[in-house]
Amino acid sequence: NAGVMQNPRHLVRRRGQEARLRCSPMKGHSHVYWYRQLPEEGLKFMVYLQKENIIDESGMPKERFSAEFPKEGPSILRIQQVVRGDSAAYFCASSPPSGTGLDTQYFGPGTRLTVL
Amino acid sequence: GQQLNQSPQSMFIQEGEDVSMNCTSSSIFNTWLWYKQEPGEGPVLLIALYKAGELTSNGRLTAQFGITRKDSFLNISASIPSDVGIYFCAGRYNYGQNFVFGPGTRLSVLP
Repeated sequence: NAGVMQNPRHLVRRRGQEARLRCSPMKGHSHVYWYRQLPEEGLKFMVYLQKENIIDESGMPKERFSAEFPKEGPSILRIQQVVRGDSAAYFCASSPPSGTGLDTQYFGPGTRLTVL
Repeated sequence: GQQLNQSPQSMFIQEGEDVSMNCTSSSIFNTWLWYKQEPGEGPVLLIALYKAGELTSNGRLTAQFGITRKDSFLNISASIPSDVGIYFCAGRYNYGQNFVFGPGTRLSVLP
């Protein structure tokens, strides 16, 4: 049973370009979360999605950032017109739907974004 | 947004010593999770707790769900060098809410 998969593991972009980060949840998981982590800091919640629906995007910057989790395919975190301050590790996590088992959350290995 | 309090923020211990850390919340949770993160990696789930008072072990790790449902504790017995990392607690009330994370406890083990 494969875990949460994220790609790419490392992404380099120049200022003004777009960054697309992909996350495939664990098999059977229908809920996805995105977090951002700066070096030596904790995990900052960004957005919580289930398929075709955003449950909570209170941690997402209002501009340039968007997330989706389509019916088919991975969840995508999209950052438009990247700036140097967007450089960070972005982690995706997934959890099973309610009523199917114990509440839990598993993380992927992360995507390290570097903006030049 | 809401954040959990974790203490201590960091600790340096000798190999073989036991470690205790805790996590507190201003609101009650129905799920508590403990993670370990090593440099360059994603957090790894160590222990999950679901009932007030519950005590669960995973090898040398033991975690407890506080009876007030507003706190949780993690103990590591007989620490070894590979225990080095950042330990995060997380909790939530139900599936309609996102998980709230603590800032982490950074553990260093001296040989």
